[in-house]
Amino acid sequence: KQEVTQIPAALSVPEGENLVLNCSFTDSAIYNLQWFRQDPGKGLTSLLLIQSSQREQTSGRLNASLDKSSGRSTLYIAASQPGDSATYLCAVRGSQGNLIFGKGTKLSVKP
Amino acid sequence: GAGVSQSPSNKVTEKGKDVELRCDPISGHTALYWYRQRLGQGLEFLIYFQGNSAPDKSGLPSDRFSAERTGESVSTLTIQRTQQEDSAVYLCASSLRAQGTGAFTYEQYFGPGTRLTVT
Repeated sequence: KQEVTQIPAALSVPEGENLVLNCSFTDSAIYNLQWFRQDPGKGLTSLLLIQSSQREQTSGRLNASLDKSSGRSTLYIAASQPGDSATYLCAVRGSQGNLIFGKGTKLSVKP
Repeated sequence: GAGVSQSPSNKVTEKGKDVELRCDPISGHTALYWYRQRLGQGLEFLIYFQGNSAPDKSGLPSDRFSAERTGESVSTLTIQRTQQEDSAVYLCASSLRAQGTGAFTYEQYFGPGTRLTVT
């Protein structure tokens, strides 16, 4: 059974700092991996999707990497801003079609 | 274009009552997913629809939960005889289709969710 773990559970950093969020999964037979952000009281916003054949994806200040063989992904956020404060969720898609989520990393960026 | 919409945004119900939650996917998206997020927990998959195929119900927690989808549009999630442990945010997502060519897959887009509170 696929399990997704995110470390750390919470992170507080000063504005401007570069940071890395970690995601690990137990079954390397994934179709894709998606990173989301969730703001309080709101739905999920997709940030990056990495297909199983890809190693990384970039969007603006965000870079996500995928290492299927080791069951790991990282989300790198450059030059963090207070507006980046949110919960970041990692999810993997298996053969069934649904996403399996980690519990998230709650990020707080202090001005 | 319009994103995934869900209604109601909030629902408070008494234990034992039935509730219906609605999801309108992005137009043209053939795959539709329901998830729930209980307080302090990660998102749990409930059910998904792909076109006219039989839905994958493997995540439904009990027979009190059911879902329907009309063609490739609106879906309703019904919870019968609600219990307090059903209190959660119910999220709907859609994607162009569940599976592309080979191992290619499509992004899932999420609605804002329905917060269900069972008293």
